[in-house]
Amino acid sequence: DTEVTQTPKHLVMGMTNKKSLKCEQHMGHRAMYWYKQKAKKPPELMFVYSYEKLSINESVPSRFSPECPNSSLLNLHLHALQPEDSALYLCASQEGRGHQLIEKLFFGSGTQLSVL
Amino acid sequence: GQQVMQIPQYQHVQEGEDFTTYCNSSTTLSNIQWYKQRPGGHPVFLIQLVKSGEVKKQKRLTFQFGEAKKNSSLHITATQTTDVGTYFCAGDSGGGADGLTFGKGTHLIIQP
Repeated sequence: DTEVTQTPKHLVMGMTNKKSLKCEQHMGHRAMYWYKQKAKKPPELMFVYSYEKLSINESVPSRFSPECPNSSLLNLHLHALQPEDSALYLCASQEGRGHQLIEKLFFGSGTQLSVL
Repeated sequence: GQQVMQIPQYQHVQEGEDFTTYCNSSTTLSNIQWYKQRPGGHPVFLIQLVKSGEVKKQKRLTFQFGEAKKNSSLHITATQTTDVGTYFCAGDSGGGADGLTFGKGTHLIIQP
């Protein structure tokens, strides 16, 4: 299994809603990422988990809250989002065995989020 | 912080023509990776370059890493309609602890 699975594929939410995005991989990868991608733009790094610990938080607003329950799962909890947060949210995993060289990323198909 | 510049932003070619995208970093990179994102899809890993001056080929695609490890290029020979998409370079300054920094991408549009 070389897939990163993200659910849901599409999400529409109001600014007062609370929702969660989910990501799962069964490749034994130890690093997992959340990226945000606007149309026609590159992915922007949000969070990195390494061995289930948050290792990078790119100054993301607190209305985005990541969670890594175990090495196979990654969640992104959303609360009180703004319309400008509408984007494609991509999860990625990486072997992440602590090597000096960063390995390739396996991306999920993303969650297309619309905030009304 | 590290910046990765990529040009051109858009490239229109006739099917069968060649295509090249260029990537430049403000800092020396430990490695550079290339990804392809089809319209409506997600980024898919193409290749990783590590060594100074390295050249790698995948069928019609040729990837180069500069001698100073600050630039890279992707060249596609005789483009096909299946090559349509956005090509991103992504660099890492080393240490393995930071996420990759993506270039802005080159959107390849192919006219049959």
